[in-house]
Amino acid sequence: QQPVQSPQAVILREGEDAVINCSSSKALYSVHWYRQKHGEAPVFLMILLKGGEQKGHEKISASFNEKKQQSSLYLTASQLSYSGTYFCGTEGTSYDKVIFGPGTSLSVIP
Amino acid sequence: EAQVTQNPRYLITVTGKKLTVTCSQNMNHEYMSWYRQDPGLGLRQIYYSMNVEVTDKGDVPEGYKVSRKEKRNFPLILESPSPNQTSLYFCASSPNQWGSTEAFFGQGTRLTVV
Repeated sequence: QQPVQSPQAVILREGEDAVINCSSSKALYSVHWYRQKHGEAPVFLMILLKGGEQKGHEKISASFNEKKQQSSLYLTASQLSYSGTYFCGTEGTSYDKVIFGPGTSLSVIP
Repeated sequence: EAQVTQNPRYLITVTGKKLTVTCSQNMNHEYMSWYRQDPGLGLRQIYYSMNVEVTDKGDVPEGYKVSRKEKRNFPLILESPSPNQTSLYFCASSPNQWGSTEAFFGQGTRLTVV
């Protein structure tokens, strides 16, 4: 079952923060996050495994709340280079295939 | 350089004319898969392969075929394309069944069927 992402789209000014949410109706083993710039392939950001450990790299971080079956991606002090579509992918178990959400379009303007 | 290579990048064809989109990876990955991407629907898996000669259907397999004769190659075949197969296609590979591993995507093939 496809996870739900919110918001569908967001426009930010440089320096503003954003949160993208990903939720599932079933129990999750892991959540994957990817970013796709226009006309390019999706690029891996991070994976969060069951256990709720928050991960991050510089100003992009994510959390995974397994009880609520949801994950949130946090973009801090956004830069123009953050623009793109963000996809979450979820797995119910370690042997499931990843099912991607519909994506969240993020645009950062000067 | 580690990469997944798809060809062609763009393709316009007519209904019913068989076509093949090639995908090759140089990372010795076991797991490969094909996705189609349509507006508002995200990435939907068409077929996947866990290893040579092992393939299985994904979520939207109708109208597609695949083969995995060599570990590095995973072509997508449309025997009789129809306009509803107009889409952006991505090939992806990862070391093994997803689990905690990242996937590497090809650059995509934009297919138009008229």
